[in-house]
Amino acid sequence: QITLKESGPTLVKPTQTLTLTCTVSGFSVGSRGVGVGWIRQPPGKALEWLALIYWDDDKRYSPSLKGRLTITKDTSKNQVVLTISNMGPVDTATYYCAHTPISTNWFVPWGQGTLVTVSS
Amino acid sequence: DIQMTQSPSSVSASVGDRVTITCRASQGISNRLAWYHQKAGKAPKLLIYAASSLQTGVPSRFSGSGSGTDFTLTINNLQPEDFATYYCQQANTFPWSFGQGTKLEIK
Repeated sequence: QITLKESGPTLVKPTQTLTLTCTVSGFSVGSRGVGVGWIRQPPGKALEWLALIYWDDDKRYSPSLKGRLTITKDTSKNQVVLTISNMGPVDTATYYCAHTPISTNWFVPWGQGTLVTVSS
Repeated sequence: DIQMTQSPSSVSASVGDRVTITCRASQGISNRLAWYHQKAGKAPKLLIYAASSLQTGVPSRFSGSGSGTDFTLTINNLQPEDFATYYCQQANTFPWSFGQGTKLEIK
């Protein structure tokens, strides 16, 4: 059974860098064909695709965040880490990670999400 | 970037009704479209992939169709658990993108 769980701070201050960790089980982030993506959802708003990393370290980013995103993976810990620099109030959102095999490109399943609030 | 536009933004219906939600892509995406539903406070779940394929475990009252730029999600015989928000997502071209969502409410 594939599961993913997000972890990280629930509150960050403006201008700080957010680091979120997605710990997965039921698959290896280093296995051929595997991808893990990050998606966020501001309160009451729509889903927004952020970033994706594949097993071969191919990385894709949303251009709307203008270079603030970095996605990496740690095969030994079976984790994917997303950092977002220069956080602002508009970045307040629930952040989800999700499994996406390259053979399909659909997000299934998703983690439960973690709410991050940006406030001084 | 490809923009995904859903309509309507919200719809009210009754148990047993049939509902159709549409999703339009700003450029052709072949059949690289998925539909998710999301209940309040929960993570989204995949319903339909490749525009018309039913995800394992999803009831057959859900169906999807379309190709290119225009897609539809149809829910027959609405059940109480179907009242949620629905999102389309294109995975044809990076950056991947979601529609703005359609909230399905009980009439």
